Amino acid sequence: AQTVTQSQPEMSVQEAETVTLSCTYDTSESDYYLFWYKQPPSRQMILVIRQEAYKQQNATENRFSVNFQKAAKSFSLKISDSQLGDAAMYFCVLSSGANNLFFGTGTRLTVIP
Amino acid sequence: KAGVTQTPRYLIKTRGQQVTLSCSPISGHRSVSWYQQTPGQGLQFLFEYFSETQRNKGNFPGRFSGRQFSNSRSEMNVSTLELGDSALYLCASSAIPGQNSNEKLFFGSGTQLSVL
Repeated sequence: AQTVTQSQPEMSVQEAETVTLSCTYDTSESDYYLFWYKQPPSRQMILVIRQEAYKQQNATENRFSVNFQKAAKSFSLKISDSQLGDAAMYFCVLSSGANNLFFGTGTRLTVIP
Repeated sequence: KAGVTQTPRYLIKTRGQQVTLSCSPISGHRSVSWYQQTPGQGLQFLFEYFSETQRNKGNFPGRFSGRQFSNSRSEMNVSTLELGDSALYLCASSAIPGQNSNEKLFFGSGTQLSVL
């Protein structure tokens, strides 16, 4: 069975500081993909960053980077130089197998000015 | 380029009624997938359509159905509504089926359905 666990329901960070959101997952598939999506109050899910499981190098997108630990099945998101616009719900997502996407329960990030 | 458009934004229905939600994908995208988001269950995959054919289906009862038209627009139908169907229904589009790939999904802003 595929599962995604986000153990931090809420996180806060001071503007310009760095924050790390945690995610662990489980899958029996050898070929899979991992994503972080953000959902601001507008409700629209926006892709933040993605990682192919076969790639050892951690993905980076500007201020966003991941720490992908395949053996530990861990996929954390680091946000550097946090901005007010980063405030949102963040979902860790696993794309695995033939069927569907698996979403974590989300982490609500608050950015304090 | 217009994004994914979902209509209506909000909907209020009563138990036993049926409802149809609409999703227009980004121009050129042929794959549309639907998700249900609730505070208790989080985000759950409903189904995915590509070129008017359902490719994948999540674990939802038969009351939930969908279809895709030749212009790639998709509709989702829920019959005999239950209180538990109250949720945000999100639609996503991609150029090719994205369920088990690295394909980027573009989401709409959802339809908030309330069942009274």
